[in-house]
Amino acid sequence: QSALTQPPSASGSPGQSVTISCTGTSSDVGGYNYVSWYQHHPGKAPKLLISEVTKRPSGVPDRFSASKSGNTASLTVSGLQAEDEADYYCSSYVAGNSVIFGGGTKLTVL
Amino acid sequence: QVQLQESGPGLVKPSETLSLTCSVSGGSVSSGGYYWSWIRQPPGKGLEWLGCIHDRGSTNYNPSLKSRVTISADMSKNQFSLILSSVTAADTAVYYCARGRVPGDYWGQGTLVTVSS
Repeated sequence: QSALTQPPSASGSPGQSVTISCTGTSSDVGGYNYVSWYQHHPGKAPKLLISEVTKRPSGVPDRFSASKSGNTASLTVSGLQAEDEADYYCSSYVAGNSVIFGGGTKLTVL
Repeated sequence: QVQLQESGPGLVKPSETLSLTCSVSGGSVSSGGYYWSWIRQPPGKGLEWLGCIHDRGSTNYNPSLKSRVTISADMSKNQFSLILSSVTAADTAVYYCARGRVPGDYWGQGTLVTVSS
């Protein structure tokens, strides 16, 4: 199975908003509401930002929001802060009881 | 607070078998209706889901690795394990364990496994 498609990089200045896309197929992103987003700082464990397309776990700032339309899910980071600079990954349940990740997006805060 | 910790050899020879264990505290691998997953990240690359085990014992695997991956659980030790056979240099990665089939909010810190002779 091929990875979900994410842009390799994204950037924005402090205070700005950035949106990262995650494109799959009707067998994964488009077919199920089991899309998650993670923030990954090198050397650390990935941190869950969003589950089930739009659900934000307690402790995750509301600057992080997400949505889905068709086969594409999106993560928006509003009010960019320096500490938001990290790699971001999406993941989705796949028909047939599997899971797939996106290729990852490196977010740079300018 | 659920905590997970990976353990196992940091160096494995090509063609041999990689074996890792994830120890769980603050939660049970045999109850709660949870899945427990293994994920890896090769150097400079993205995350890859390897497979998971349900607390009832059923397993799901990444189709691209299914022939080489086995995940099992030891309820008495509250651990679950990953076995990856016939490894090559391409299996060099940081290996993570996590709770959830689509991994959720509890992850281990990861352990680097290098495949080299």
